[in-house]
Amino acid sequence: DGGITQSPKYLFRKEGQNVTLSCEQNLNHDAMYWYRQDPGQGLRLIYYSQIVNDFQKGDIAEGYSVSREKKESFPLTVTSAQKNPTAFYLCASSTRDREGRETQYFGPGTRLLVL
Amino acid sequence: GENVEQHPSTLSVQEGDSAVIKCTYSDSASNYFPWYKQELGKRPQLIIDIRSNVGEKKDQRIAVTLNKTAKHFSLHITETQPEDSAVYFCAASIGGKLTGGGNKLTFGTGTQLKVEL
Repeated sequence: DGGITQSPKYLFRKEGQNVTLSCEQNLNHDAMYWYRQDPGQGLRLIYYSQIVNDFQKGDIAEGYSVSREKKESFPLTVTSAQKNPTAFYLCASSTRDREGRETQYFGPGTRLLVL
Repeated sequence: GENVEQHPSTLSVQEGDSAVIKCTYSDSASNYFPWYKQELGKRPQLIIDIRSNVGEKKDQRIAVTLNKTAKHFSLHITETQPEDSAVYFCAASIGGKLTGGGNKLTFGTGTQLKVEL
């Protein structure tokens, strides 16, 4: 798990402001993911990327954007269109082994708070 | 799409007792079922997983069972200890790619397990 880092640990957003959360991995994983976690709820998928320069919307993509210009990086931007951004954001990466097993490894998370 | 339901939402057991958490899934094509443990303020960590070609898997005090016909799977923790206290999430995905990755996981809503002394 130490191969995935997220920054910052805490982030404060003002009204109408776009903010970007960083996610970096040195595990050489092809796939990367962004999840949102709210109290009492499971992890909900925002966006995921199976390979560099490609990404797909998850279940709750509205108000968010991503890019995947490098294999090791998958930043998430929370735009002003996201009206309820306060949550714990988790980044993950994965790869499939020779036995077909795919395990997602999570970063330490970023807690986003609205001022 | 896939829907995963998890029960109970909270579970309190005495130290040394067993704990069982149950999940059901909706998509019969799902074939990979991991379980994650998340301690307060920390990242989820994989504790055990099972694929659809087996019905049970065990790792020391933790076991997972899968019933494909009924579309449910369960986590069993025996001889619980205080350090088992955490939130546990089940998940399901459809594994199709042979290499690379990128199969979406659908998570349950989590079970808060509390092991009391």
